[in-house]
Amino acid sequence: AQSVTQLGSHVSVSEGALVLLRCNYSSSVPPYLFWYVQYPNQGLQLLLKYTSAATLVKGINGFEAEFKKSETSFHLTKPSAHMSDAAEYFCAVSDRGDKIIFGKGTRLHILP
Amino acid sequence: GAGVSQSPRYKVAKRGQDVALRCDPISGHVSLFWYQQALGQGPEFLTYFQNEAQLDKSGLPSDRFFAERPEGSVSTLKIQRTQQEDSAVYLCASSLVGSRSPSNNNEQFFGPGTRLTVL
Repeated sequence: AQSVTQLGSHVSVSEGALVLLRCNYSSSVPPYLFWYVQYPNQGLQLLLKYTSAATLVKGINGFEAEFKKSETSFHLTKPSAHMSDAAEYFCAVSDRGDKIIFGKGTRLHILP
Repeated sequence: GAGVSQSPRYKVAKRGQDVALRCDPISGHVSLFWYQQALGQGPEFLTYFQNEAQLDKSGLPSDRFFAERPEGSVSTLKIQRTQQEDSAVYLCASSLVGSRSPSNNNEQFFGPGTRLTVL
């Protein structure tokens, strides 16, 4: 069965500092992997996705994630945090590109 | 262009009432998904349509939950005899193509959700 584990329900970083949100997945087949962002009272927005084309995936708003099969990880990074990055971030997995299994989410706080 | 829209945005129901939640997908999108997001949790899959066919309903928590998409566009999620544990945000998503498509057009676009509160 597929699953996703996000380490840390809350992460705080200073504005301008590196953002690192951790995600580990479990899947019996080569997975599709996603990171979504959710702003308050808004729907989910896709940040980036991995579909086996390249292990380093670049997304919107300066975010990127690296697929590491040996570590079953798909951590999300951004070199320099901005106040507007404050939101809830969800890592997710899908084995066929349809039903998506989400992690519990990590709330990112940006400190001025 | 318009994205996925859901109505109502907020719904308060008394325990035992029936509710109907509507999803208008992006025009022309083949696939439609429903997810349930409890407070402080990630979304959980409920059910999936490809056109009017319900291909997967494995996530529906009980037989009180029923979804339909009779003409392959608008979908309705119905919850009968609501219980307090049904309180959640119900998210709808649509994608251009069906599953197993080799293209990148199976990205799911999410609506803003309907927040259901059962008293």
